[in-house]
Amino acid sequence: AQKITQTQPGMFVQEKEAVTLDCTYDTSDPSYGLFWYKQPSSGEMIFLIYQGSYDQQNATEGRYSLNFQKARKSANLVISASQLGDSAMYFCAMRGGGTSYGKLTFGQGTILTVHP
Amino acid sequence: DADVTQTPRNRITKTGKRIMLECSQTKGHDRMYWYRQDPGLGLRLIYYSFDVKDINKGEISDGYSVSRQAQAKFSLSLESAIPNQTALYFCATGAGGVHEKLFFGSGTQLSVL
Repeated sequence: AQKITQTQPGMFVQEKEAVTLDCTYDTSDPSYGLFWYKQPSSGEMIFLIYQGSYDQQNATEGRYSLNFQKARKSANLVISASQLGDSAMYFCAMRGGGTSYGKLTFGQGTILTVHP
Repeated sequence: DADVTQTPRNRITKTGKRIMLECSQTKGHDRMYWYRQDPGLGLRLIYYSFDVKDINKGEISDGYSVSRQAQAKFSLSLESAIPNQTALYFCATGAGGVHEKLFFGSGTQLSVL
């Protein structure tokens, strides 16, 4: 079985500062993918970034980067230069192989609030 | 037009009623998924389908059924709705593979009174 844990129910950050959202995972699959999604107040789910378990470098997409520490089983999202529009719910998710193949498992989510 | 369309966007119903949520996609993906979102629990998988003839239960399938009418259509039914099925429901599609990125519909907010 695979499990995703987000331990921060809510986070606050000042505009233009960087913020890290934590995510830890547990899986016995050697091959897996890690994802971050953003859910603004309007409700839609927006894909942000992907990291494969065999990727040697941390993934980056614009102001988003994924701090992947395989030995610690963590996949933290770093948002640089926060903007007011970054205020949203953020979900970490994982897809593995084996018996979990094809199923994307989500964490509980972290609500990020950006203050002006 | 949206790539993944869910109807209705909002629905209020009464306990014991049968409800169908519909999902259609223009992405051409074989894989389709139904999730529900509850506060503090994230998204949980209800059912998923890898093609028209392949339907699988997710972690919380009890009380739900699905139908994959075509590659582009995947509907979710609540045969006899109960209040704890009040939630935000998402349909999603994907192309497959461990790196598969899911594309989500806008969600259906269902309230069971």
